[in-house]
Amino acid sequence: GAGVSQSPSNKVTEKGKDVELRCDPISGHTALYWYRQSLGQGLEFLIYFQGNSAPDKSGLPSDRFSAERTGGSVSTLTIQRTQQEDSAVYLCASSYQTGGTYEQYFGPGTRLTVT
Amino acid sequence: AQSVTQLDSHVSVSEGTPVLLRCNYSSSYSPSLFWYVQHPNKGLQLLLKYTSAATLVKGINGFEAEFKKSETSFHLTKPSAHMSDAAEYFCVVSENTGFQKLVFGTGTRLLVSP
Repeated sequence: GAGVSQSPSNKVTEKGKDVELRCDPISGHTALYWYRQSLGQGLEFLIYFQGNSAPDKSGLPSDRFSAERTGGSVSTLTIQRTQQEDSAVYLCASSYQTGGTYEQYFGPGTRLTVT
Repeated sequence: AQSVTQLDSHVSVSEGTPVLLRCNYSSSYSPSLFWYVQHPNKGLQLLLKYTSAATLVKGINGFEAEFKKSETSFHLTKPSAHMSDAAEYFCVVSENTGFQKLVFGTGTRLLVSP
């Protein structure tokens, strides 16, 4: 079946612009996660959704970052007024439910470059 | 907070020789531990996971890992490396926050030479 998909695969933007990154989870997966992979910080958790609600936003690095999930499916990560330090690969993952026994399936990521 | 430390940033082996990627964890209770692999320009893939069942965990592609509580280690091994094993490997712990919040190690790049 189809895996997690993310779009765009690559995004180049100018400093100060807003960007939207999209994640399509595996159908039927209730849990959705965003992570960021950067050279300086490695792989770090950003936000978690259960259904449409986000019980944990603790990983969002600043108030320029926000995310939403509609219909318990597609999620959008928005970065406002992008900065060069936002350059990274943004990964989305989904799982059937959350908890230690459920595997998180990762998408291929969106590579964001802020110039 | 839980954390993992991957002891080697790079490991080089020859094809057909054993692979050992080392990982130590820090946790105040019995953790859930994982190994993920990331091939160039591809997504992360789960290799194996430990969730308090058998301490020797077998994964895909011939990999296995042993949970050793006394040593707080979760090393990844494979008896015989294949060229296709060349990739970045991440040791991961799940925080007990009510959901599966993954905390990644810094990664070990495995290089396999012919």
